[in-house]
Amino acid sequence: GAGVSQSPSNKVTEKGKDVELRCDPISGHTALYWYRQSLGQGLEFLIYFQGNSAPDKSGLPSDRFSAERTGGSVSTLTIQRTQQEDSAVYLCASSPQTGTGDHIQYFGAGTRLSVL
Amino acid sequence: GNSVTQMEGPVTLSEEAFLTINCTYTATGYPSLFWYVQYPGEGLQLLLKATKADDKGSNKGFEATYRKETTSFHLEKGSVQVSDSAVYFCALMDTGRRALTFGSGTRLQVQP
Repeated sequence: GAGVSQSPSNKVTEKGKDVELRCDPISGHTALYWYRQSLGQGLEFLIYFQGNSAPDKSGLPSDRFSAERTGGSVSTLTIQRTQQEDSAVYLCASSPQTGTGDHIQYFGAGTRLSVL
Repeated sequence: GNSVTQMEGPVTLSEEAFLTINCTYTATGYPSLFWYVQYPGEGLQLLLKATKADDKGSNKGFEATYRKETTSFHLEKGSVQVSDSAVYFCALMDTGRRALTFGSGTRLQVQP
């Protein structure tokens, strides 16, 4: 079946512009995660959605970052007023369920964001 | 807080050599442990996992054993191939917070 799909695969933007990154999780997966992979910081957790619960936003680096998940499926990560330090690969992952079930996270190929 | 420490890379080996990539962790409770692999130009893929002490995860000839006494989850393979060239990430997930905490990654280069 289809894996986690992210778009665009590459995004170049100018400093100060807003960007939106999209993630389509695996069908039926209730949990969705965003991570950021950068040279200086490695792989960092950003935000986690589980079903209809309030998202865990504890990893968001600043209030310029926000994310939403509509209808329990597609998610959009928005970065406002981008800065050069936002340049990174943004990874989305989904997982079938929590509790005692399968906690494996399946990752998309990522969106490479370059802020000029 | 949780943390994962893995050996610095790059690691360069000849084909058929033995591989060890060290990974140690700090966590409260009893986390699940994972190794993910990122091949050139591709996304992260789960390589193997272990969910409790003394469990051994294995896949594609790779193995790692969850050692609670030494808080370690070292990755091993008896005979590496050129196709194993990739970046390997050790990670943990605690029972409370479902987000993964990753190590810094170890780049493996296998030469023919």
